[in-house]
Amino acid sequence: GENVEQHPSTLSVQEGDSAVIKCTYSDSASNYFPWYKQELGKRPQLIIDIRSNVGEKKDQRIAVTLNKTAKHFSLHITETQPEDSAVYFCAGYGGSQGNLIFGKGTKLSVKP
Amino acid sequence: DGGITQSPKYLFRKEGQNVTLSCEQNLNHDAMYWYRQDPGQGLRLIYYSQIVNDFQKGDIAEGYSVSREKKESFPLTVTSAQKNPTAFYLCASSIPMGRGSDEQFFGPGTRLTVL
Repeated sequence: GENVEQHPSTLSVQEGDSAVIKCTYSDSASNYFPWYKQELGKRPQLIIDIRSNVGEKKDQRIAVTLNKTAKHFSLHITETQPEDSAVYFCAGYGGSQGNLIFGKGTKLSVKP
Repeated sequence: DGGITQSPKYLFRKEGQNVTLSCEQNLNHDAMYWYRQDPGQGLRLIYYSQIVNDFQKGDIAEGYSVSREKKESFPLTVTSAQKNPTAFYLCASSIPMGRGSDEQFFGPGTRLTVL
């Protein structure tokens, strides 16, 4: 089955810098890769996703890239702000099971 | 934040007791999921259901049970057989994976503490 690994587990950046979080997956049949943001004490919320037929997707300050050959995908946040501080989860969906497989999360801290 | 709700927000249980966590959605989603969240462990799948009256075990189903008698509801029972139940429990719903939008919508969570 699918296995998703996420790095780093914690990330601290200065406000205005960029942040990059990386995930790898094991199932070459996986075709959907969402990223969720979870603020402290709140529910995870989808911030961006990408499908396997696309190499990159952008939405304002956030972007996701996918390398199918290497089986990894990354979240890029530019011009970070204190409100970007949260835990970010990547996930993969392989189609052979009916559910998402989540990474263990990255705690991002943006220092003013 | 409507659409999918969980109750209660906080729950305290004595050892040896069964407790049931509620999850309700009005998004007309066929699929529903239960996840357990522990610090540093991400989201681990307990059970999921893709249609009424059907459900499958996830990665950590031992000590838990579910039912899916109605499309809107997917309650989770934490039994006394679950050895370490203290955690944050999240319910989610979606259109069944692979049939269009794959986004999962999460409820606000229930924090369970065993005393």
